[in-house]
Amino acid sequence: ETGVTQTPRHLVMGMTNKKSLKCEQHLGHNAMYWYKQSAKKPLELMFVYNFKEQTENNSVPSRFSPECPNSSHLFLHLHTLQPEDSALYLCASSQETAQETQYFGPGTRLLVL
Amino acid sequence: GQQLNQSPQSMFIQEGEDVSMNCTSSSIFNTWLWYKQDPGEGPVLLIALYKAGELTSNGRLTAQFGITRKDSFLNISASIPSDVGIYFCAGLGIQGAQKLVFGQGTRLTINP
Repeated sequence: ETGVTQTPRHLVMGMTNKKSLKCEQHLGHNAMYWYKQSAKKPLELMFVYNFKEQTENNSVPSRFSPECPNSSHLFLHLHTLQPEDSALYLCASSQETAQETQYFGPGTRLLVL
Repeated sequence: GQQLNQSPQSMFIQEGEDVSMNCTSSSIFNTWLWYKQDPGEGPVLLIALYKAGELTSNGRLTAQFGITRKDSFLNISASIPSDVGIYFCAGLGIQGAQKLVFGQGTRLTINP
């Protein structure tokens, strides 16, 4: 058990919808991450938060908007997505961003129609 | 930027066989991690390696941190059906914001 939970596990949305993905970690970690996993591609890091502050944005389009209200919770707000945004979105956490071991949640499978 | 080349991309083996996969890079890494991902789930950490030359086991799994710090391998002995999944290597470099770099994954299929 990794101690990182994500909801919803599956999401289907139209291109004009607004939805949010939620991640919660119960490990007492200070750093949280959003990754995108598409078929046949390596994991792509999207955002990094350390002590609630965003420390990295990997050139992610503005239709993805992260929010980290505290060290245990991380959201990804979605707005006017494109079909090519369909993927598995994974949340991870680690003790600190300099800490090597990241623990992943089960992911949200997103389909954009 | 830093990249990892993981091979093979896929493997089809018989139950009971041993498995070997590896990751190489042109860059030096301080840490090597091996994850396994089951369908519809997130990656789960299998083994973490922190020192060049280190050999670490976790049950039937054995992984080594290459002496050059540019490669790592993972071996699975006496494979069983639940070993099916995608195995990812990941490396933590010595520069920048300690970003974790992932390999492309090795998809393991086991015939009973």
